[in-house]
Amino acid sequence: QVQLVESGGGLVKPGGSLRLSCAASGFTFSDYYMSWIRQAPGKGLEWVSYISSSGSTIYYADSVKGRFTISRDNAKNSLYLQMNSLRAEDTAVYYCARAGLVATLDCWGQGTLVTVSS
Amino acid sequence: QSALTQPASVSGSPGQSITISCTGTSSDVGGYNYVSWYQQHPGKAPKLMIYDVSNRPSGVSNRFSGSKSGNTASLTISGLQAEDEADYYCSSYTSSSTYVVFGGGTKLTVL
Repeated sequence: QVQLVESGGGLVKPGGSLRLSCAASGFTFSDYYMSWIRQAPGKGLEWVSYISSSGSTIYYADSVKGRFTISRDNAKNSLYLQMNSLRAEDTAVYYCARAGLVATLDCWGQGTLVTVSS
Repeated sequence: QSALTQPASVSGSPGQSITISCTGTSSDVGGYNYVSWYQQHPGKAPKLMIYDVSNRPSGVSNRFSGSKSGNTASLTISGLQAEDEADYYCSSYTSSSTYVVFGGGTKLTVL
């Protein structure tokens, strides 16, 4: 079955960096666009970033542009999110999701918590 | 401030029908048929319930339906059940550089 498992979350100080990973299984990873979405504690969903199946097309939310970098390794069936210059407002559960159709997220991981605090 | 506007909460009794609205602009909801709806129970990951305005993924109950008129999309849940109590989020493709926008979410309470 389709499975997405995030890892790499944790506590980091403001200004610090963190790299999230998402391991995919149960489908042909290289055929699908992938995305990162986050949810601050008690808040709604916020789309973060999107990468095409080959990695050639990438989108970012304005709130993370210039600080976060999405990437993928199709040979390892893995998606990544490099987060730099972290701020308190980046504190959230970060989900990776498969994009099956245009702007449609048809399978989600369970999320990994990132806490930015001194 | 979310890009798409949803009511903060709706409620209904078991067996009733409810509708959740999602209002955007001609750059997102009104301009494209790429509206999705997600259900999220507390502490769980979101689940896709409707895509491309009105299509249901395999395994989603036909009590869930979607529609769109102008810049407003709607999710209707008929025959409300206790397990439908959850948060619901709409999303849409957007022609802006951000590609995807979400609504602020609606908390559904089954009375």
